[in-house]
Amino acid sequence: GEDVEQSLFLSVREGDSSVINCTYTDSSSTYLYWYKQEPGAGLQLLTYIFSNMDMKQDQRLTVLLNKKDKHLSLRIADTQTGDSAIYFCAEIPTSGTYKYIFGTGTRLKVLA
Amino acid sequence: EAEVAQSPRYKITEKSQAVAFWCDPISGHATLYWYRQILGQGPELLVQFQDESVVDDSQLPKDRFSAERLKGVDSTLKIQPAELGDSAMYLCASSLDTGTPAETQYFGPGTRLLVL
Repeated sequence: GEDVEQSLFLSVREGDSSVINCTYTDSSSTYLYWYKQEPGAGLQLLTYIFSNMDMKQDQRLTVLLNKKDKHLSLRIADTQTGDSAIYFCAEIPTSGTYKYIFGTGTRLKVLA
Repeated sequence: EAEVAQSPRYKITEKSQAVAFWCDPISGHATLYWYRQILGQGPELLVQFQDESVVDDSQLPKDRFSAERLKGVDSTLKIQPAELGDSAMYLCASSLDTGTPAETQYFGPGTRLLVL
């Protein structure tokens, strides 16, 4: 089946770095995304990475991609209380209609 | 900044009643998606439109769910009759086109449905 896996919870102190991990399923997925969802809200696109890259940095966000292990991570530097949310990774398998397959989400709690 | 609009934001209904959700995608976006997100899980695609045509409704429970996008712009998702298990967040998203896997999807705020 198609299961994109993430750990359920992560708790960090304000100012520390957060690392959220994701294991995806389709080694041919060409685009991988990270979305943020605050309580009761829709999904906000954070960043994405092409499969021909192994790292992408965007301000406080760093995405690492290990294609061999089908592992994706999102590092948030200097984590703030406003970063508390659920983070979803998503892959787009190259077959079919390019629909997103979302992970289960990681709830990040930032402690002041 | 253009956004995907959804209404209502919240809906409480009794089982066996009919409910409808509305979505207005970002102007110019040809592709529209309806997702269902059960509490504690990631969104799952229900139906995908390219303009007014359905391109993927393989996960839509067609005995009770229907979706339309008559003029290729806004869309309505209907549930009739609603069941207790339909309680979830219903998210709408849109993207420019579906021609490549690079099309980023932009999400609306969602409609949270509670079936009693």
